[in-house]
Amino acid sequence: EPEVTQTPSHQVTQMGQEVILRCVPISNHLYFYWYRQILGQKVEFLVSFYNNEISEKSEIFDDQFSVERPDGSNFTLKIRSTKLEDSAMYFCASSVGSSYNSPLHFGNGTRLTVT
Amino acid sequence: RKEVEQDPGPFNVPEGATVAFNCTYSNSASQSFFWYRQDCRKEPKLLMSVYSSGNEDGRFTAQLNRASQYISLLIRDSKLSDSATYLCVVKADSGGGADGLTFGKGTHLIIQP
Repeated sequence: EPEVTQTPSHQVTQMGQEVILRCVPISNHLYFYWYRQILGQKVEFLVSFYNNEISEKSEIFDDQFSVERPDGSNFTLKIRSTKLEDSAMYFCASSVGSSYNSPLHFGNGTRLTVT
Repeated sequence: RKEVEQDPGPFNVPEGATVAFNCTYSNSASQSFFWYRQDCRKEPKLLMSVYSSGNEDGRFTAQLNRASQYISLLIRDSKLSDSATYLCVVKADSGGGADGLTFGKGTHLIIQP
């Protein structure tokens, strides 16, 4: 069964550094998403992406965050200047469509630790 | 503000028992509803979509009550492998856009042998 893959599985960085989290969505999917989950908290929506542009973003997704689809397969999340509170599990997801019958498939996450 | 509320539990249930939990959502514009399952430190995985008429998938039954804005999940003949956190998820579907999912904090279920 096709999967969403994320790399790296764990990233440790110092406060103020830039990080890029990488994702390869399922190949025939058209909608891409980033979510995060702070330890012990709920999964929170960051951003959705369709047709090479951001479709929706949450209040968490401020100017420090950006997304890109640099080629036909990768979907990246960049955090420009990391803060301690950015430490979380970051999940990429993709779906065929945007309606109720197009559920999201999640990758196994990148654990970001900011020190 | 969109909110999805769930009883965090934990629900400690003996193997073979039936367990049910609910969730409520505040955004009346929500159009799509799901139950996801999340194992410790893993990604959420879709358990089932929830349809207006209610639906069943093996031992799992989901119900939706739009008037009261709540969703339920019933697990029959529970197995040890059902131990996980169950996430109630809603989506607004504003039409055409890829709206993000709103997750509840999850209900933690522990099946005991």
